[in-house]
Amino acid sequence: GAVVSQHPSWVICKSGTSVKIECRSLDFQATTMFWYRQFPKQSLMLMATSNEGSKATYEQGVEKDKFLINHASLTLSTLTVTSAHPEDSSFYICSGRREGWGDEQFFGPGTRLTVL
Amino acid sequence: GENVEQHPSTLSVQEGDSAVIKCTYSDSASNYFPWYKQELGKRPQLIIDIRSNVGEKKDQRIAVTLNKTAKHFSLHITETQPEDSAVYFCAATLSGTYKYIFGTGTRLKVLA
Repeated sequence: GAVVSQHPSWVICKSGTSVKIECRSLDFQATTMFWYRQFPKQSLMLMATSNEGSKATYEQGVEKDKFLINHASLTLSTLTVTSAHPEDSSFYICSGRREGWGDEQFFGPGTRLTVL
Repeated sequence: GENVEQHPSTLSVQEGDSAVIKCTYSDSASNYFPWYKQELGKRPQLIIDIRSNVGEKKDQRIAVTLNKTAKHFSLHITETQPEDSAVYFCAATLSGTYKYIFGTGTRLKVLA
């Protein structure tokens, strides 16, 4: 299979601070990475799509200046939540797509963000 | 926008019985339909998937059926076990992209 890791697995921060979450594809090159947000007892909602070396594409309603996404290499994408507020507390999950492997996305273990 | 509806939202079955979860998608050009099992606080785990050129696929106790005309697809779990208890999500690709649209989820409880 293909393995995706995320770091940190959980983070607690104060309101107004910024938090960076890393998503790494460990054994494949992810030409495309996706970032999802999942609130308790809800579904996964796509936030943005990132392709290596280009700007991320954000879904409607997602503030690109608040959720900064960088896909600097084929194995690393980062999500920075800027000026975090309690309503940003959620479970953030990334996934990677491997070129030539069709439509399957490989999911990371998620990052639990709590903003106090 | 495009969406995926999923029913039921909760499902309780006795151990050994079958469970069926149904999804309806709106994007007629969707061509890939994965099903995920998610345990609390964990990543979604792919359990089975189906492409639009196939009507049915089976893997041991799990099967998926697809009706393209009606834009329906369903997950069938036979001989359910307590460890099948989890939240199950269906998804469909958005045509022309590799993006997934997820269903709202079904919480399955298998009673011993």
